[in-house]
Amino acid sequence: AQSVAQPEDQVNVAEGNPLTVKCTYSVSGNPYLFWYVQYPNRGLQFLLKYITGDNLVKGSYGFEAEFNKSQTSFHLKKPSALVSDSALYFCAVRDRDPLSGGYNQLIFGAGTRLAVHP
Amino acid sequence: DADVTQTPRNRITKTGKRIMLECSQTKGHDRMYWYRQDPGLGLRLIYYSFDVKDINKGEISDGYSVSRQAQAKFSLSLESAIPNQTALYFCATRNGYNEQFFGPGTRLTVL
Repeated sequence: AQSVAQPEDQVNVAEGNPLTVKCTYSVSGNPYLFWYVQYPNRGLQFLLKYITGDNLVKGSYGFEAEFNKSQTSFHLKKPSALVSDSALYFCAVRDRDPLSGGYNQLIFGAGTRLAVHP
Repeated sequence: DADVTQTPRNRITKTGKRIMLECSQTKGHDRMYWYRQDPGLGLRLIYYSFDVKDINKGEISDGYSVSRQAQAKFSLSLESAIPNQTALYFCATRNGYNEQFFGPGTRLTVL
């Protein structure tokens, strides 16, 4: 069964410093990997995805993520954090069901709260 | 995102009451989803629909039902609300590129 883990409940970083939000996954086949962001009192917004191709994917607001198959990770990164990046970040995964051949539905991690301090 | 709207935004109800949460979208997507969000648990899938005639149970469908009235409308019902259904509920659509678009959420409190 597919699963996704975000090992940190909260990440604190100073404005201007690089940030990393960690995500690891477990799937049966090749994963589709996603990052979503949730600002206060808002729904989730799509940031970026990895389906196939280059391991480094770039997304909205200057975020990027690196797919690492050997470490089964998909960490979210940004070279220089902004106070406005403070939000709740969710990693999500879906993969192909080995029995049916169809794609499973998206599974979300528990979320990591990013706090960027001035 | 105004493309996916949810009503009501907040609701307080009592145990045993029937509640309906409504979702509408103007994105033209066939796929629609209902999730609930609980602190520390992330989002969990309740039901999903690939079109008007296709409804599927998600991870936590017990105690919930849905209706897909049209491509643009997907409603979630709690037949007899209980306190552990207190949560933030999100509706979402999905495009052909695997990207989901979420509504603003409905905060439901069951007393």
